[in-house]
Amino acid sequence: QKEVEQNSGPLSVPEGAIASLNCTYSDRGSQSFFWYRQYSGKSPELIMSIYSNGDKEDGRFTAQLNKASQYVSLLIRDSQPSDSATYLCAVQLGGSARQLTFGSGTQLTVLP
Amino acid sequence: DVKVTQSSRYLVKRTGEKVFLECVQDMDHENMFWYRQDPGLGLRLIYFSYDVKMKEKGDIPEGYSVSREKKERFSLILESASTNQTSMYLCASSSPGAGETQYFGPGTRLLVL
Repeated sequence: QKEVEQNSGPLSVPEGAIASLNCTYSDRGSQSFFWYRQYSGKSPELIMSIYSNGDKEDGRFTAQLNKASQYVSLLIRDSQPSDSATYLCAVQLGGSARQLTFGSGTQLTVLP
Repeated sequence: DVKVTQSSRYLVKRTGEKVFLECVQDMDHENMFWYRQDPGLGLRLIYFSYDVKMKEKGDIPEGYSVSREKKERFSLILESASTNQTSMYLCASSSPGAGETQYFGPGTRLLVL
């Protein structure tokens, strides 16, 4: 069973809309959660990290974490064509693990 | 700013060649990682290291080895390259003090003919 699952894409939204990206994880002991953005042909870059339940906002981006439901999401408000990329959810599993487990990514296209 | 650099952006090798991919980070991070990324398979962890001369196998270590002689440098070695090792290779580093956020290098696109 895959440990980190992301909603299947690709996802298309019109410019100015809210894009919602979802991720579930299987290890209840997971402690740290990350969203990365990856443009085609480039390496992943960190957008947000979140460690406790609730919402965390940074500009147009909001990460939401619900540990009881083992669910983390990323909302992108006022989506722009430049937001078109693949978004990767990553989870640091419980215990002493320092490595991250990545989801397979959701490809987002923002249509002008 | 964290900077992670990789020795090559593009590399073409022949089957059976020994291939070295090098990664250097300038933030004194303890942890370093090597991934490969293939369409539809996402990022898969090959090897990682928590300290100098220390290594741990990831999810797909077969056909690879690593070396970490200095804290800032982590090398991935393909002992005898095969066509199924054609991929994008990504290096990352992190530190417990920075919440284990991983910072990635630009990647090396390797083609094995």
